[in-house]
Amino acid sequence: EPEVTQTPSHQVTQMGQEVILRCVPISNHLYFYWYRQILGQKVEFLVSFYNNEISEKSEIFDDQFSVERPDGSNFTLKIRSTKLEDSAMYFCASSEVPTGELFFGEGSRLTVL
Amino acid sequence: AQSVTQPDIHITVSEGASLELRCNYSYGATPYLFWYVQSPGQGLQLLLKYFSGDTLVQGIKGFEAEFKRSQSSFNLRKPSVHWSDAAEYFCAVAPPGNKLVFGAGTILRVKS
Repeated sequence: EPEVTQTPSHQVTQMGQEVILRCVPISNHLYFYWYRQILGQKVEFLVSFYNNEISEKSEIFDDQFSVERPDGSNFTLKIRSTKLEDSAMYFCASSEVPTGELFFGEGSRLTVL
Repeated sequence: AQSVTQPDIHITVSEGASLELRCNYSYGATPYLFWYVQSPGQGLQLLLKYFSGDTLVQGIKGFEAEFKRSQSSFNLRKPSVHWSDAAEYFCAVAPPGNKLVFGAGTILRVKS
């Protein structure tokens, strides 16, 4: 069964460092998303991406964040200068159609020290 | 603004007992409705979804959910809980053409 894969599964970084989280969405999906879940809190929407551009972003997704689809398979989330409060589990998701069923990866846990 | 409420943060049930997890949403029109499950250290797995039609939907692992328009609810049920069902359950809603919004989650504990 096709699945969304994310790397790394866990990353520890120092505050102020740049981090890139990688995702390989399901191959025939056209809509891509990043969500995050701070420990003990709800899953929050960060950004959606379609046709090589951001279609929607939340207020969390400030100038420190960027997304890119550098090739035909990867979808990346970059945090330019990490802050302590960026520590969270980051989930990538993809879907065939907008607001259809989202398929989530297993998440990348980011710990900022 | 759209919102999703899961009023129960924790629920404990005995193995073999029935389960109902509550979910209410606030939105003018009927959104698409989902239940996801997250086991410790795992990603989010879709249990079931409602887009339209029959208001009682069947999902994986023996779960079902009923959409009640009059109550703006989409409660998740299972007639007999197994120890492996212990996890966190998230209700999520998406107005057509809009992003998925999650509830705060309900942690299910199963006691033997």
